[in-house]
Order: sequence, then structure tokens, then C-alpha cells
Amino acid sequence: AQKVTQAQTEISVVEKEDVTLDCVYETRDTTYYLFWYKQPPSGELVFLIRRNSFDEQNEISGRYSWNFQKSTSSFNFTITASQVVDSAVYFCALSEASNAGNMLTFGGGTRLMVKP
Amino acid sequence: DTEVTQTPKHLVMGMTNKKSLKCEQHMGHRAMYWYKQKAKKPPELMFVYSYEKLSINESVPSRFSPECPNSSLLNLHLHALQPEDSALYLCASSQDQSSYNEQFFGPGTRLTVL
Repeated sequence: AQKVTQAQTEISVVEKEDVTLDCVYETRDTTYYLFWYKQPPSGELVFLIRRNSFDEQNEISGRYSWNFQKSTSSFNFTITASQVVDSAVYFCALSEASNAGNMLTFGGGTRLMVKP
Repeated sequence: DTEVTQTPKHLVMGMTNKKSLKCEQHMGHRAMYWYKQKAKKPPELMFVYSYEKLSINESVPSRFSPECPNSSLLNLHLHALQPEDSALYLCASSQDQSSYNEQFFGPGTRLTVL
């Protein structure tokens, strides 16, 4: 069965520090999709990125970067020069190609607090 | 328009009340979802609609009744809820039900059952 683990439940940093959020997943599928979502205090989950299992290229978008490593089943998320507005809960999620319903398996979430 | 909207934002109801949550999207998406999220937990899938038909029901109690009147609207009818049903209810949509499609979420309805 699929599983996503975010071992860090809470991280606190000071503004401008770099921070990495860890995500480890388990799946038997060879084709799967990994996602990161941000949930600010307002409640809405904001889609950040999707990565396909057959594409291990890392991605950078502004201050955000993602490191996908199939060898360690990890899909880590780094925020460079963190800002107070980055404070939120971040969820990593997995969707398997074999599942009929686009059902997301979420990790438990990491609450990031960025202090000024 | 890349938004999913939900109304109301907050709802307080008694255990004998009947209420409805509404969700709307105008992105032409053909899959829509209801999730329940308790504090400090990830969202839990409740229902999936695909092309306006109920596709997945994750063993949700019958006091929650979903409805998809058209491709843009999704309702969740609530009846005889329990205090433990208090949670954030999130609606989401995606292009279709294919597993590679990202889901776009609304801001949620914070439900309190007294």
C-alpha cells in the first residue's frame, strides 16, 4: 500500500534562513506522481508542484526547489531565504497511476514557522 | 478563472439541523472532490465525482450526502451531524480523474456542530 511520511511535524526558522522539508514515500507502482501543497492559515491548499516518477530532474522556481530521488524514495522541498509569508503547513502527496480515482495519499504535513 | 469557491466560509449547526455546503469551479474541470480535514491532520477524501457521476465514496456515513447538479457545481448536504463531524470541509477539482492531474482546492468551509 502507498504511504507518504513527513517526519518533521514542525520547523521553526528565522527569516532569510534556508529550510528543507523532507518527504519519503512508499509505492509498488512504477508510475506515480508526487505533489507538494501549501496550506496557509486561511485554509486553502495551494498546489506548488507535480513530479512524475519517470522524470527525476530537479526543479527550481524562484526561492523554491525540489529534489526528487527515486533511489531513496524521497521528494524534498527547499525554500531558500525564507520569508514570513512562507509560514504554512506543507503537505507532500502521492498519486499512483494504478488507482482509478486520482486519490491522493497525503503525508502528515510539516508546519513551517518563519520568524522575523 | 482558476478558482474554486466555497460557501459558506463558516457554518455552525445543531445536530438536528439540515444544511448544505456549496462548491463551484469554472475551469472546465470534470472531476470534483470533497475532503474533510481535522485540525493538525491532512485532508481525508470523502467523495469523488467524475463527469457529474459519483465515482468514489470512501465509506462516508449517510448523514453526508453529495450532489453534483452540473459540471461546475458540487454540493454536500448535511443532516443529523455529530459534534465529531466538526472540521474544515474542502472542495477540489481537477481536469479529470487521471492520477497525474493536480487538484485545485477551495478555501474550505469551517463547520462546527453543536
